[in-house]
Amino acid sequence: GEDVEQSLFLSVREGDSSVINCTYTDSSSTYLYWYKQEPGAGLQLLTYIFSNMDMKQDQRLTVLLNKKDKHLSLRIADTQTGDSAIYFCAEKGWNTGNQFYFGTGTSLTVIP
Amino acid sequence: NAGVTQTPKFQVLKTGQSMTLQCAQDMNHEYMSWYRQDPGMGLRLIHYSVGAGITDQGEVPNGYNVSRSTTEDFPLRLLSAAPSQTSVYFCASSYRSSGQGISPLHFGNGTRLTVT
Repeated sequence: GEDVEQSLFLSVREGDSSVINCTYTDSSSTYLYWYKQEPGAGLQLLTYIFSNMDMKQDQRLTVLLNKKDKHLSLRIADTQTGDSAIYFCAEKGWNTGNQFYFGTGTSLTVIP
Repeated sequence: NAGVTQTPKFQVLKTGQSMTLQCAQDMNHEYMSWYRQDPGMGLRLIHYSVGAGITDQGEVPNGYNVSRSTTEDFPLRLLSAAPSQTSVYFCASSYRSSGQGISPLHFGNGTRLTVT
């Protein structure tokens, strides 16, 4: 399968911005996704970006895509304690038969 | 509209026992899939189905069977449980999208399985 890499942990103070990074290997990626998983729950889609875009903004969330470096990031502005969760990056591309490949997840802890 | 429903939420099995994890969706989605989530490894695809009567293997299919007799249901069977199958299992569904091929996945809340 394709490799999707994320760092495992991130801590930020309440009110600061959080930046969660992701790298992927599939050059045919068409869509890249960010999912949020709260404790004991399933994954919830936060946002996604098409591979011909380099930025997408949705309220406090900003997704940046550097297709040349195969690097995706999720910025959360004014991070709140309710943002504490695991964040998964996922990609889907033509080379992978439209299968989704997920990263390891980044556990975000927001310190009050 | 319940979305994707998984049962049970928790299960403990002894090595060698068999069981079926249930998954049902009420969104009329063609595509359904099973993932397992293990610490430090993200989600890995076990089996998937693109429609009733059609199933295929994912990245880690060994030890698991699936069938898809209806659009709504996609059960996952463990034939002879092993401790290596201790994990959290997620079922997900999506629909065909003219723009994306397959829409983003909708997930159930998971089944936490422990095999002793």
